[in-house]
Amino acid sequence: GQQVMQIPQYQHVQEGEDFTTYCNSSTTLSNIQWYKQRPGGHPVFLIQLVKSGEVKKQKRLTFQFGEAKKNSSLHITATQTTDVGTYFCAGQGDYKLSFGAGTTVTVRA
Amino acid sequence: EAQVTQNPRYLITVTGKKLTVTCSQNMNHEYMSWYRQDPGLGLRQIYYSMNVEVTDKGDVPEGYKVSRKEKRNFPLILESPSPNQTSLYFCASKDRERYGYTFGSGTRLTVV
Repeated sequence: GQQVMQIPQYQHVQEGEDFTTYCNSSTTLSNIQWYKQRPGGHPVFLIQLVKSGEVKKQKRLTFQFGEAKKNSSLHITATQTTDVGTYFCAGQGDYKLSFGAGTTVTVRA
Repeated sequence: EAQVTQNPRYLITVTGKKLTVTCSQNMNHEYMSWYRQDPGLGLRQIYYSMNVEVTDKGDVPEGYKVSRKEKRNFPLILESPSPNQTSLYFCASKDRERYGYTFGSGTRLTVV
């Protein structure tokens, strides 16, 4: 079945630094979604990528969908304390949305 | 306010005692889904529904039942809960045309 792997599991970042989290699927995806979950909260939809090679930006967040539509990345520049939380990628197959295990981000001020 | 409402938020129960976690959305969404979240495993889909009376199994359906008699409601039923069903549960809904699921606030279930 469809599996989505996400690395790293934990990311400890100095405030102001950049980091990237990666997502890989065992199958070709129709689209990939990214969610953010703050500590104690619920996942909140950030963005969806559909096209091969697509790149989208939301302020300091850059999302990329691989050419083969099997991998994706989220790059955050100039990390802030508000970026703390767990970031999930979710790959859309036919009707199922499969989530990666998430990257939990902590920020050192 | 557009939202997905789950109840209860917290529940402690004993092994074998049937329980239902309710989920309701006020956005007229066609798609609804249940996920469980466990440390290191992310969100795993239990069941999903594409519309009224249309449901299908996700990745971890064993021990769970669902029904979709009305568009707004998608309850999760545990007929005979066991300790390995202790988890954080999320209900989510999505419009067929729009991107991204809207999640409820979660139900933390403990089975002793």
